[in-house]
Amino acid sequence: DAGVIQSPRHEVTEMGQEVTLRCKPISGHNSLFWYRQTMMRGLELLIYFNNNVPIDDSGMPEDRFSAKMPNASFSTLKIQPSEPRDSAVYFCASRLAGGLYNEQFFGPGTRLTVL
Amino acid sequence: TQLLEQSPQFLSIQEGENLTVYCNSSSVFSSLQWYRQEPGEGPVLLVTVVTGGEVKKLKRLTFQFGDARKDSSLHITAAQPGDTGLYLCAGLDSGNTPLVFGKGTRLSVIA
Repeated sequence: DAGVIQSPRHEVTEMGQEVTLRCKPISGHNSLFWYRQTMMRGLELLIYFNNNVPIDDSGMPEDRFSAKMPNASFSTLKIQPSEPRDSAVYFCASRLAGGLYNEQFFGPGTRLTVL
Repeated sequence: TQLLEQSPQFLSIQEGENLTVYCNSSSVFSSLQWYRQEPGEGPVLLVTVVTGGEVKKLKRLTFQFGDARKDSSLHITAAQPGDTGLYLCAGLDSGNTPLVFGKGTRLSVIA
């Protein structure tokens, strides 16, 4: 299994530009999570999907952030327009909800730098 | 709101020493997961514990889930520089809810 795949691994952009982060969850998993990690705030949940449906987006910091999951094998997190304070590492994670262990697996992350 | 508190926040030890990291909550969890994250990488799942009092071993790492399923500990025997990283615990309330993460313990093992 290839694990959770994220692209790009690194993104450097200028303030005001649109940024799109991509995620391919583990095949067969039905829950997908987007997180943001900074030294100051640790790991923060932004939004999660169950069966491709957004369940809770209360962690999305502002309307500049949006996420979609058009099918079971792909999700995007978009920031438009981007700001320097959005600089962080963004992780996608997936799991098969409902089992005994509900083990969750993370992708390698996208390191975003907004200048 | 469910919270998981990890202690200590930072730990720097010499190679060969033993250490214990704690993960505590006032809430009951159906299961608890431990992750290790190395610089530039995503968190990697180490173990999941689901039964109160459960003990799991992974080489030199021993994980224990509290009897009441509110707390957990990770003990490392004879730490090595390869154990260096951020250790995160995460609790699960029910099958379809997000994990609740602790802030992590940042471990540095010096050769």
